[in-house]
Amino acid sequence: QAQLQQSGPGLVKPSQTLSLTCDISGDSVSSDSAAWNWIRQSPSRGLEWLGRTYYRSKWYNDYAVSVKSRLTINSDTSKNQFSLQLNSVTPEDTAVYYCARNSDAFHWYFDLWGRGTLVTVSS
Amino acid sequence: QSALTQPASVSGSPGQSITISCTGTSSDVGSYKLVSWYQQHPGKAPKLMIYEDSERPSGVSNRFSGSKSGNTASLTISGLQAEDEADYYCCSYAGSTTVVFGGGTKLTVV
Repeated sequence: QAQLQQSGPGLVKPSQTLSLTCDISGDSVSSDSAAWNWIRQSPSRGLEWLGRTYYRSKWYNDYAVSVKSRLTINSDTSKNQFSLQLNSVTPEDTAVYYCARNSDAFHWYFDLWGRGTLVTVSS
Repeated sequence: QSALTQPASVSGSPGQSITISCTGTSSDVGSYKLVSWYQQHPGKAPKLMIYEDSERPSGVSNRFSGSKSGNTASLTISGLQAEDEADYYCCSYAGSTTVVFGGGTKLTVV
């Protein structure tokens, strides 16, 4: 059974970079059907899809307009993981961050989730 | 894209049926057969309950069903049980490789 295990710091200072990693077991980051997403949840913004990466002979990324200028999602096939880097964070970026899978990249439902990481942006 | 509109709360008694609505637009809910529903218990990650408007993943009780009419999708839970008490979120593909979530509905089983 596939699982996603998240890691990363829970506290980030304003203007710095938020970095999280999601380790995949039971599936492959370079799957030819799945896509790998980051989603966050906060009381003020609710659930918000941030972006995803997937492999179809080459790597593709899709980003939400709201964070596109600050967000990078990368993959590491040797470690079977993908990561999020969100630059220039502000307190508004405080949220629980989830990694999640689309088992079918073009059907846009999230069938597997990590446990979530609470990230607080504060000095 | 604006968030999909859900009622803030619904309630029902054990054994009853409830329906949670999710209203979008012709650019999201009304355009694609790609509405999904998630159940979230406090402190837990969301869990997929319905996908592609009305499909149920393996392992999800058949007490959960999804439907859609125009720009409004609905989640119905029949035979309410105490463990169904949770937050429920709808989600829809919104075109241009993006998705939008609803604001969430708190279900109370009284």
